Amino acid sequence: GQNIDQPTEMTATEGAIVQINCTYQTSGFNGLFWYQQHAGEAPTFLSYNVLDGLEEKGRFSSFLSRSKGYSYLLLKELQMKESASYLCAVRGNAGNNRKLIWGLGTSLAVNP
Amino acid sequence: DTEVTQTPKHLVMGMTNKKSLKCEQHMGHRAMYWYKQKAKKPPELMFVYSYEKLSINESVPSRFSPECPNSSLLNLHLHALQPEDSALYLCASSQDTGTGGSGYTFGSGTRLTVV
Repeated sequence: GQNIDQPTEMTATEGAIVQINCTYQTSGFNGLFWYQQHAGEAPTFLSYNVLDGLEEKGRFSSFLSRSKGYSYLLLKELQMKESASYLCAVRGNAGNNRKLIWGLGTSLAVNP
Repeated sequence: DTEVTQTPKHLVMGMTNKKSLKCEQHMGHRAMYWYKQKAKKPPELMFVYSYEKLSINESVPSRFSPECPNSSLLNLHLHALQPEDSALYLCASSQDTGTGGSGYTFGSGTRLTVV
């Protein structure tokens, strides 16, 4: 089967660092995406990993280990406005080339 | 233009009504998607169009009918919906091929309520 796991909820303090983990078991792998979604709004693309290692984009970084089926999203210097749901999604390959398999999302609360 | 535009933003319709959701992008993306999202759930894929042809239908009931008039436009025709179809309907687009990390660009969605 296909499965993506991420924590349901996390809490962090403004200015701190938070790491959101994602583990996956899919029948194929053609990239992993992280999206941010505020309540009632559309998901916003944050990052993409297809090779092992760390991708850094300003205060956001994302890491991938394909052998472990594991990724994390690292957010530094957290801001209050980053209270949102963070969705991990894996793109399949072959017949599922254009399909994303989504995790249920991690609801992050950033407190003052 | 790096946006996906969806109209209307909100829609209330009766179970006997016929309505359409519209989506437009001018990024030259050749893949376009319809997703349905319920509260506190991830987006659920409904349809994928690639180069204006329907490539994936996720066993969606026939009361939802997609249409891709050209490479920039995507419609979702609604007829005889049920209250449980109330949700946020998201349109997305991507550079096709299924590879690359440009991501999927989502529209802001249509909040649909079926009464």
